[in-house]
Amino acid sequence: EPEVTQTPSHQVTQMGQEVILRCVPISNHLYFYWYRQILGQKVEFLVSFYNNEISEKSEIFDDQFSVERPDGSNFTLKIRSTKLEDSAMYFCASSRDTLPSGNTIYFGEGSWLTVV
Amino acid sequence: SQQGEEDPQALSIQEGENATMNCSYKTSINNLQWYRQNSGRGLVHLILIRSNEREKHSGRLRVTLDTSKKSSSLLITASRAADTASYFCATGLTGTYKYIFGTGTRLKVLA
Repeated sequence: EPEVTQTPSHQVTQMGQEVILRCVPISNHLYFYWYRQILGQKVEFLVSFYNNEISEKSEIFDDQFSVERPDGSNFTLKIRSTKLEDSAMYFCASSRDTLPSGNTIYFGEGSWLTVV
Repeated sequence: SQQGEEDPQALSIQEGENATMNCSYKTSINNLQWYRQNSGRGLVHLILIRSNEREKHSGRLRVTLDTSKKSSSLLITASRAADTASYFCATGLTGTYKYIFGTGTRLKVLA
């Protein structure tokens, strides 16, 4: 079964450093997402992306964050100048079609980010 | 209450018993999905139910949706120890590209 893959599985970074989390969505999917889950808390929406543009973003997704699809297969989340509170599991997800048509969103295994 | 609140927060049952988890939400949705998460792992999709559907089955899973009450339930029949995990509902809000996740139910199935 096709799956969303994420790298790295775990990254430890110094506060203030830049981090790039990488994702390979399912190949025929057109919509891409990043979510995060702080330890013990809810899964929170960060951003959705379609046709090389952000479709929607949450309040969490401020200027510190950016997303990019640098080629035909990768989808990245960049966090500039990381803060302690950015420590979380970051999930990439993809779906074949957009939300209103009711397609399943498939999630990767996540990237644990620890900011020290 | 928040968009996407599950209850109970935690549930402990014996293997072979049925487990029922409920999800309530506040605003209009296109669809609702249930996910499972093993500790520290990714989100595994279980089932999607659209707003015009009332019930769906998948193996030992049965999901209902009552849009008038803004609630959904997930029933796992004949539970197994391997079903031990956290279960989340995620509501696809009308007119948006995002899902809002609930607080989750931690299910423990005792062998």
